[in-house]
Amino acid sequence: QSVLTQPPSASGTPGQRVTISCSGSSFNIGSDYVYWYRQLPGTAPRLLIYSNNQRPSGVPDRFSGSKSGTSASLAISGLRSEDESHYYCAAWDDSLGGVVFGGGTKLTVL
Amino acid sequence: EVQLVESGGGLVQPGGSLRLSCAVSGFTFSSYEMNWVRQAPGKGLEWVSYIDSSGSTTSYADSVKGRFTISRDNANNSLFLQMSSLRAGDTAVYYCAREYTPDYWGQGTLVTVSS
Repeated sequence: QSVLTQPPSASGTPGQRVTISCSGSSFNIGSDYVYWYRQLPGTAPRLLIYSNNQRPSGVPDRFSGSKSGTSASLAISGLRSEDESHYYCAAWDDSLGGVVFGGGTKLTVL
Repeated sequence: EVQLVESGGGLVQPGGSLRLSCAVSGFTFSSYEMNWVRQAPGKGLEWVSYIDSSGSTTSYADSVKGRFTISRDNANNSLFLQMSSLRAGDTAVYYCAREYTPDYWGQGTLVTVSS
């Protein structure tokens, strides 16, 4: 059971906008930044969004993040087939003294 | 270029021990907090352990507390995870990751606990 809650799956058609939610508590999302990662099978996670809504260099502006209270979301606009991947949210948890992750969302481009 | 390279994984029997290493380059290692994160086959990401930049503060997931020890050698740009009393449930790919909420990850090293 993951500390952060994500839907296990999401889907959309090319060109569509999809959002993935991430719900936590006052100990994690409510008190620290949210990060998002994408992970392709057999590879390491790769940072997609940091500090709630910042994109590392090289990440297209089709990807955006937001946070409100103890929840966050990742939005992907202009969906492409190459966006098919697993997506994870994460935040530091003050009560655990470690980083907590969502269970991951598998995004399918129909 | 930031690089993190894990090593030391392999097949170990239940109850055995293993020491993972993570060699880093491309950044000032001594300035960064570090984590170990694992991923069991077909499962999500699970935080394992954290260490601050000086090595004076560490924390562990309840699932590994008392069995795993994280450490670092800032002079040699290396992070370690000493694992003992290994169980089948510890089978996973182990990643070292930079920063208290990770920004860069290594490629991972597979630990398989099986008789």
